[in-house]
Amino acid sequence: DAKTTQPNSMESNEEEPVHLPCNHSTISGTDYIHWYRQLPSQGPEYVIHGLTSNVNNRMASLAIAEDRKSSTLILHRATLRDAAVYYCILEETSGSRLTFGEGTQLTVNP
Amino acid sequence: DTGVSQNPRHKITKRGQNVTFRCDPISEHNRLYWYRQTLGQGPEFLTYFQNEAQLEKSRLLSDRFSAERPKGSFSTLEIQRTEQGDSAMYLCASSSGYSQPQHFGDGTRLSIL
Repeated sequence: DAKTTQPNSMESNEEEPVHLPCNHSTISGTDYIHWYRQLPSQGPEYVIHGLTSNVNNRMASLAIAEDRKSSTLILHRATLRDAAVYYCILEETSGSRLTFGEGTQLTVNP
Repeated sequence: DTGVSQNPRHKITKRGQNVTFRCDPISEHNRLYWYRQTLGQGPEFLTYFQNEAQLEKSRLLSDRFSAERPKGSFSTLEIQRTEQGDSAMYLCASSSGYSQPQHFGDGTRLSIL
């Protein structure tokens, strides 16, 4: 399984942008980059995914490095409800499993 | 879109008993996945169905575990002769295909006494 590396924890202030980094140096050309987040006592929630180009949706933006060995999830204005564990995951060509790491615990300060 | 539904939300049982969990995926999704999550860890993949066919099983899925998806709709996960180490959150997800988001239910928390 292709691996990702994320910081264990990050802190942000409410209404400020948050940049969550992820390294995936062993990514292959057809692996998709997915981001999910998980609040306590809930299942993971899909945030965003992409292959090569940067992606935007109503929740966040995904910036993918040109060599695809790293990516950054951008929350444009953090709210208290964004406090969660954020997982960066590579979906391999076989297209079945998602291999979760330990993720980044994001704390948002009021 | 009513989301992925899992029942029960919480199951408490004695060691050695059998338990069965149910997952109702989003209706138009042909892929269904089971994961297990222990405290402080990310979810771990258990098994995956495309329609009614079980296409992949993790080594975590011992012979005490069995999953079915009759008619490609809902799925059940059964654990026989439960052990203390089976205590975990069991998560179900569904998707419409490769590279598409997986939508997760809120899980069934299994506690073994």
